[in-house]
This record gives sequence, structure tokens and C-alpha cells, in this order.
Amino acid sequence: AQTVTQSQPEMSVQEAETVTLSCTYDTSENNYYLFWYKQPPSRQMILVIRQEAYKQQNATENRFSVNFQKAAKSFSLKISDSQLGDTAMYFCAFTPSGGYQKVTFGTGTKLQVIP
Amino acid sequence: GAGVSQSPSNKVTEKGKDVELRCDPISGHTALYWYRQSLGQGLEFLIYFQGNSAPDKSGLPSDRFSAERTGGSVSTLTIQRTQQEDSAVYLCATSKDRDLQNEQFFGPGTRLTVL
Repeated sequence: AQTVTQSQPEMSVQEAETVTLSCTYDTSENNYYLFWYKQPPSRQMILVIRQEAYKQQNATENRFSVNFQKAAKSFSLKISDSQLGDTAMYFCAFTPSGGYQKVTFGTGTKLQVIP
Repeated sequence: GAGVSQSPSNKVTEKGKDVELRCDPISGHTALYWYRQSLGQGLEFLIYFQGNSAPDKSGLPSDRFSAERTGGSVSTLTIQRTQQEDSAVYLCATSKDRDLQNEQFFGPGTRLTVL
């Protein structure tokens, strides 16, 4: 069974600063996908960034980037130049590759961007 | 439609009553998931539908929970004889197909409160 752990229930960051959200996972799989989803207050959850485990290069999407350490089973999310609109719950998620498998979500990190 | 929609957005019911939650997927999305999100918890997988295949019901917490998907489109999640511990936000998500590397598109959720 896979597990996803987000050890920071809440975090805050000053506007325009950089913040890193941590995520670790446990799996015996070699090929899999990792995701960060964002859930703004009272709004729908959306995908922020996706990483394929067989790719060594860390994924980036504008101000969002990941630090993927496969050996350490770590998948942190870095948000640069934080904006007020980044205030949200952030969920780390994992799924093995190769046909249908369930997606396992972490418990989330509540990020508050302070003006 | 433009996105995944869910109804009702909020539902308050009395313990012991039955409730029915609805999910309208993005047109053409063959995979549909139901999750439960309790306060302070991550997303708990409930059930998965893929096309005409038998659904994966392994996440349903008890036999009071059931779901169906008519014609591969709209899905309803039914909770019979509701209990206070059923109070949560119920999220529906869809994706293009069974390949879980694809992004899941989430609905806004139904907030269920059992008094």
C-alpha cells in the first residue's frame, strides 16, 4: 500500500517570498506519478504540477517547481514570488503507473500568503 | 459542460435519513471518481467508474454507501441511514480515461451535514 505524508498542516509566507511545502511518500513501485493539487478557499481543486518518476528533471510550471528526490521518496513544492491568490490547501498525491491504480492523497498543507 | 458540476452544493439532513448526491462530469470523460474530504483529512477514495467496466467500490466505508453512473455520464452517490460521521465534503472528479497520469478535474463538492 502506498502512503503520502505531508508533515506541515499549516504554513504562512510573506507576499513575494518563496515557500517550500514538503511531501514524502512510501511505495515499492518503481514507476509512478506525483502531483500537487491546489484547493483555494471555497473553490475547486486544480492541478498545479505533475512529475513522472522516470524523469530526473524536476517539473516546473511558472512560479511553481518541485524538488523530486526519488531515492529519498521526497516531492516538495516550491512556490516563488508568492501571491495572495496562492492562499489555499495544497495536496500532494501519488499514483503508480501502468493501468488503473488509485490515487493516494496526503492530508494537505494549508498555506496562507500574508500581504 | 465547461467543468465538473455537483449538486446540491450544501445538504443538511437528519440522522437516519437517506441522501443522494449528484455529479455531472465533463463531456467525454470516461473515468469518474468519488472522494470524501473530512475536516483536517486528505481525500478518501470512495468509488471509481471507468466506461462500462465494473466499478471499483473498494473505498466505500459501509454498505450504507452506494453509487451508480447512468449511461456513462451522470453519477449519483447515495448514503442511506445517514450518521453524524458521514458529515464531510463529497468531491467528484473526472478524467479523460483510465490512465491516471492524466489530470483529474474536480467538482466544487457537496458539503453534507448530518445533524
